[in-house]
Amino acid sequence: GAGVSQSPSNKVTEKGKDVELRCDPISGHTALYWYRQSLGQGLEFLIYFQGNSAPDKSGLPSDRFSAERTGGSVSTLTIQRTQQEDSAVYLCASSWTGGNEKLFFGSGTQLSVL
Amino acid sequence: GESVGLHLPTLSVQEGDNSIINCAYSNSASDYFIWYKQESGKGPQFIIDIRSNMDKRQGQRVTVLLNKTVKHLSLQIAATQPGDSAVYFCAEPSGGYQKVTFGTGTKLQVIP
Repeated sequence: GAGVSQSPSNKVTEKGKDVELRCDPISGHTALYWYRQSLGQGLEFLIYFQGNSAPDKSGLPSDRFSAERTGGSVSTLTIQRTQQEDSAVYLCASSWTGGNEKLFFGSGTQLSVL
Repeated sequence: GESVGLHLPTLSVQEGDNSIINCAYSNSASDYFIWYKQESGKGPQFIIDIRSNMDKRQGQRVTVLLNKTVKHLSLQIAATQPGDSAVYFCAEPSGGYQKVTFGTGTKLQVIP
């Protein structure tokens, strides 16, 4: 596609439920990033993919968070047993090769945990 | 740890004036910096970047200055317009370019 696409754009869930967030990067981009942004805050790094591999998972807040990428393209971020503190905007970004170049961001998924 | 941070959380500027947004970094080995603009409800968008072999880089109405001596960079916006109202982030790759760290951000408010 023309840009990074994220779905859903909004997700409301109940505490304890699992959620899956999807990211479609720009075609041909090998690097993919997930960030979390709480209201009025900066971007918190979650995970980075190079192809289908995730060499850096250091930002995942807990073992309830996981992510995968298949075919070097689509990525899903899964949050199990959601908590209210998981409420935030989850942003995905991609780039051709990695972090030494500009990232292209999607519009994010607004997650609200009730 | 290594970090990228901003001095001013909110900046109010009169339309037509110049804006200066500042950013400090702590990793003296950093060699690439990027400025992003984030409008409400959208993801960040690339504005301009600079590599450490440069002190200054200009774009359309924007200039980034890098002072490696004091580990400081700034984003200057000339003739600020209402459409410039947004949150501005500086960002820095680290960990072999695998992680891109963002500062807290500065909210720019343009007063008509």
